[in-house]
Amino acid sequence: KNQVEQSPQSLIILEGKNCTLQCNYTVSPFSNLRWYKQDTGRGPVSLTIMTFSENTKSNGRYTATLDADTKQSSLHITASQLSDSASYICVVSAQEGGGNKLTFGTGTQLKVEL
Amino acid sequence: NAGVTQTPKFQVLKTGQSMTLQCAQDMNHEYMSWYRQDPGMGLRLIHYSVGAGITDQGEVPNGYNVSRSTTEDFPLRLLSAAPSQTSVYFCASSYSGTFGEQYFGPGTRLTVT
Repeated sequence: KNQVEQSPQSLIILEGKNCTLQCNYTVSPFSNLRWYKQDTGRGPVSLTIMTFSENTKSNGRYTATLDADTKQSSLHITASQLSDSASYICVVSAQEGGGNKLTFGTGTQLKVEL
Repeated sequence: NAGVTQTPKFQVLKTGQSMTLQCAQDMNHEYMSWYRQDPGMGLRLIHYSVGAGITDQGEVPNGYNVSRSTTEDFPLRLLSAAPSQTSVYFCASSYSGTFGEQYFGPGTRLTVT
């Protein structure tokens, strides 16, 4: 069964600090891995999409890494801001039939405080 | 572009009532889908459509119906609401099916009493 596990479940950091969120997956055959940001009361918004051949991808202060051998990904947030407070969801895509099947993690709830 | 829009934003139903959650997108995406999000669980796929006139079931389709008469609209119908359908519902669309980026709507929070 395809699974995506995220850690920690929740995290509180001070503004300006860096943090790293983890995603472990057991999805096969792997197609791509995505990170989404979901603000409270809003829909998820895509941050990055990485394929098997990509091991790092950045989007502003967000940097995602992928180790396809160990089936792990991380999302690093640099110089955090209050607006980074949100849930961060890891989504792994598996090839299935003529398309992909998406498996969603439960998210890491990040709170950035003054 | 408005992107993906959903109405209503909030809804309270009594058990047994029916209703339709509306979803529309103005990006000319062929692929559209409906998810539900419950506490402690990842988003789960209810139904999806790869184009007008074509729909298929996802992971948790029971109790829900969909149709796709136009590229822009993909309504989700609850036939006889049950408390187990209390959830937040998200509609999403994509240019390249499940291969590419999914664009999500703002969600509909549904409570069934």
